[in-house]
Amino acid sequence: DVKVTQSSRYLVKRTGEKVFLECVQDMDHENMFWYRQDPGLGLRLIYFSYDVKMKEKGDIPEGYSVSREKKERFSLILESASTNQTSMYLCASSLSPGTGESPLHFGNGTRLTVT
Amino acid sequence: DQQVKQNSPSLSVQEGRISILNCDYTNSMFDYFLWYKKYPAEGPTFLISISSIKDKNEDGRFTVFLNKSAKHLSLHIVPSQPGDSAVYFCAASARATSYGKLTFGQGTILTVHP
Repeated sequence: DVKVTQSSRYLVKRTGEKVFLECVQDMDHENMFWYRQDPGLGLRLIYFSYDVKMKEKGDIPEGYSVSREKKERFSLILESASTNQTSMYLCASSLSPGTGESPLHFGNGTRLTVT
Repeated sequence: DQQVKQNSPSLSVQEGRISILNCDYTNSMFDYFLWYKKYPAEGPTFLISISSIKDKNEDGRFTVFLNKSAKHLSLHIVPSQPGDSAVYFCAASARATSYGKLTFGQGTILTVHP
C-alpha cells in the first residue's frame, strides 16, 4: 500500500517566517505534487516534480518554492509566509510519468496557519 | 479560470437512494477523469476513473458517466450509505502533456442521512 507521509499535521507560523513542509513517499514514485485546498476553490496545484532535481510550476506557484534532492522526498518552501498562505497543504505522488492514468496518492495534509 | 467545475457545493440524500454528483469541464485536451473522496482530517482517496474513449465505468456501487460532447461527467452512488458522507472531488488530466498532474473541481459535500 502506498504511503505518503507529511511531517506535520498542524503548523502555526508568523508572518515573514520561512516555512518548510516535508513530504516522503515509500513507493518509488517518479511524480510528486504539492496542492493546497481552500473552501470553495478545491485543490489547486502549486508545484510538481517528475524526477529528482526537476520541478515544474503549477497553477499558483507565487510565494512558494520546492526542493527534490531525493526521489522519495519533496519539500515545499514558503520563503516569507503571509496570511493568505493559511491553508491545508496536500502532498501527493504517482507512478507512470506522462500518462496520467496512475491515480495520485495523497498524504493526510498539513494545516498551516500564518498569523 | 476554473477548468473543472462542480457547481453544487453540497448534496443531501437519504440512505438507500441514489446520489448523483456532477462535474463540468472546459478544456478539450482533458482525456482522463477521476473522482476522489475526502473525509475530514484525511487526504483525498482515489475512487474511480474513466478514459475519454469510454462513456461509462462501473465499480461496485459507483458508476461514472462521461458525455464528451457536453464536457460533462457524473458520479452515481447506488445505494447510498451513511459512510459515503464526504467531500467528493472531480479531477481531469491531459495525459500527453501533464506528467500525471490533475486539475480538480471545487468539491461537493455529500451527506447521506440514515
